Amino acid sequence: GESVGLHLPTLSVQEGDNSIINCAYSNSASDYFIWYKQESGKGPQFIIDIRSNMDKRQGQRVTVLLNKTVKHLSLQIAATQPGDSAVYFCAEDPNNNDMRFGAGTRLTVKP
Amino acid sequence: DAGVTQSPTHLIKTRGQQVTLRCSPISGHKSVSWYQQVLGQGPQFIFQYYEKEERGRGNFPDRFSARQFPNYSSELNVNALLLGDSALYLCASSLSGGSNYGYTFGSGTRLTVV
Repeated sequence: GESVGLHLPTLSVQEGDNSIINCAYSNSASDYFIWYKQESGKGPQFIIDIRSNMDKRQGQRVTVLLNKTVKHLSLQIAATQPGDSAVYFCAEDPNNNDMRFGAGTRLTVKP
Repeated sequence: DAGVTQSPTHLIKTRGQQVTLRCSPISGHKSVSWYQQVLGQGPQFIFQYYEKEERGRGNFPDRFSARQFPNYSSELNVNALLLGDSALYLCASSLSGGSNYGYTFGSGTRLTVV
């Protein structure tokens, strides 16, 4: 079946380095993608989103890249900080009412 | 402003029992969605309600049901609990449904079935 998935379950980076979290999707009809951050004991928190008519979108210290050719999504975090340590999920919302999440990547920032 | 509030925060139930989880959306939000998050996995969509009507249902058995009240709060009911129902249950609210308008998640209810 079609699903949203992540390449790596864990990622460890040095404080101050840039982080890249990847996500693959298989539903070619998907046109809206969202990245969420989930800290321990909390619900997912919206980070940034992108529509399929865009290749790149930037926020504060975060950038999302979308490659529709290979159905790949990435989240880049600049100058990673200890507070960025969390699990990151990509999600798609093909029907505008039922977001589908990947399994998540745990980001650990080493001081 | 209060965010999405869920109650209780934790509870323990025995197999075969029934449970009701509650969610209050952000003031002004008319849509509530429910998700199940098993440990180590991403959230899985259960239901979405808008203006007290069901707008979407995920691949969950009929033991799962929900409703939305006139004040837009919502309840999720699970009957005949199984060990596999142990999970974090998340509620998300949005203005009118659909991620186009942005979802805000609560901190969830941690359900343990023993």
